[in-house]
Formats: sequence, structure tokens, C-alpha cells
Amino acid sequence: EVQLVESGGGLVQPGGSLRLSCAASGFAVSSYDMHWVRQAPGKGLEWVSALGTAGDTYYSGSVKGRFTISREKGKNSFYLQMNSLRAGDTAVYYCAKVFCSNTGCYDALDIWGQGIMVTVSS
Amino acid sequence: QSALTQPRSVSGSPGQSVTISCTGTYSDVGIYNYVSWYQHHPGKAPKLLIYNVSERPSGVPDRFSGSKSGNTASLTISGLQTEDEADYYCCSFADSYTYVFGTGTKVTVL
Repeated sequence: EVQLVESGGGLVQPGGSLRLSCAASGFAVSSYDMHWVRQAPGKGLEWVSALGTAGDTYYSGSVKGRFTISREKGKNSFYLQMNSLRAGDTAVYYCAKVFCSNTGCYDALDIWGQGIMVTVSS
Repeated sequence: QSALTQPRSVSGSPGQSVTISCTGTYSDVGIYNYVSWYQHHPGKAPKLLIYNVSERPSGVPDRFSGSKSGNTASLTISGLQTEDEADYYCCSFADSYTYVFGTGTKVTVL
């Protein structure tokens, strides 16, 4: 079964760091663009970051310079290292896989994790 | 990058059609045909409904359709069903290889 499972969330103080993990099953994360999307309490979805198959990385303006997306060789997972956390980063974080069909890959996300809560508070 | 603008809520009776608009700018919806739509039941993972403005992944009912005109994309749900009650989000590829989601629309089935 194709599946994504997030881990590593929790409560952290402002200015602190947290590393989210997203473990994949049923496919290889190295073969697809992978994304992080978040949803603050009572708010809508917000795109956070993407990791291309070539290791290229992309970030929203609100996290650029503070967050780092990465993969690790030998592990079918990818990560989001979050530094200098702020109250505004409080959200449910989802990892997601780019949608691909037999005609190619597209700018859309078809497999999502269930999400993990990150709370930034003193 | 500002969020794409969607109506906060739309509603309809079972069997009716509803349309959700998604208004962006020339830096996202207006220039790229990479608009996707997602259905999100609270507490669950979002589900992809539409990609490339109007394409449906296999398994998505043809009751869901997408279109675009200028800076505004639209999702139409035809033959509304009770299970369609959820939050809906549009998303567009944007300049500088970023993505922007819409503000979200709550669909209520009366």
C-alpha cells in the first residue's frame, strides 16, 4: 500500500528547533518530488517546501532560511528541519507526494500523510 | 505570495450543482495551467480531485470538474451528495517554483 507517515512533531519553545520525518511505503521517495504542506489551527492549507528528485529544494517565503528539506540515502524517508521556530509556525504538518500517471508527473499532490501537530509556545 | 481567494462557503441541496471560484493573479493562476483542487475532510488527509485545471485522476467521479478563465479557476460539483460536505482548496504553481493554496471553501449539503 502506498502510504506516508509523519513523525517528530510536538511542543517546542519559540526559537527552538524540530525535525519532522516522513516515512514512505509502497514507493521510493527518491523517485518523486516530495512536499510539505501545513495547516494552522482554523486556517487553510499553506505550501511549505518541496524536494525534487535531483535534490533541488524550494521553500515558501515564510520559511526560507529557517527550514531545510532533505532526504537521506538508504532510508525511504524525507525530512523537514525547522529552526528558529515562531508561534506562527504552529500547525498540522502534512507530507505529500507529487502525482504521477503513465503520462508523466504533474504539479499536484496525490498521496498525503495524516499530518502531525507542531506547537510553538512558551 | 498571497493566498488565492475562494468564497468562505457555498451550499446546495442533494442533486444540485455548486461552483467554487479561485482567484489569483498573473503570477500564478493567470499564467500557469497547473491548478489543482483538493477535498479535505477535517482530521483526514486531503484528497486530490483535479490537476492541470481540468484533469481528473482515475477514481475521482466525473461529478467533479474544473475550468479556468483568466486569473480565476473554478471547481464545479454536479449532483451534490451528502459525502461531498467538506472543505475544498485550490492550489496553483506560481513564480519562483512555489505553490500557493486558496483560502478554502466549506461546502455544506443542505
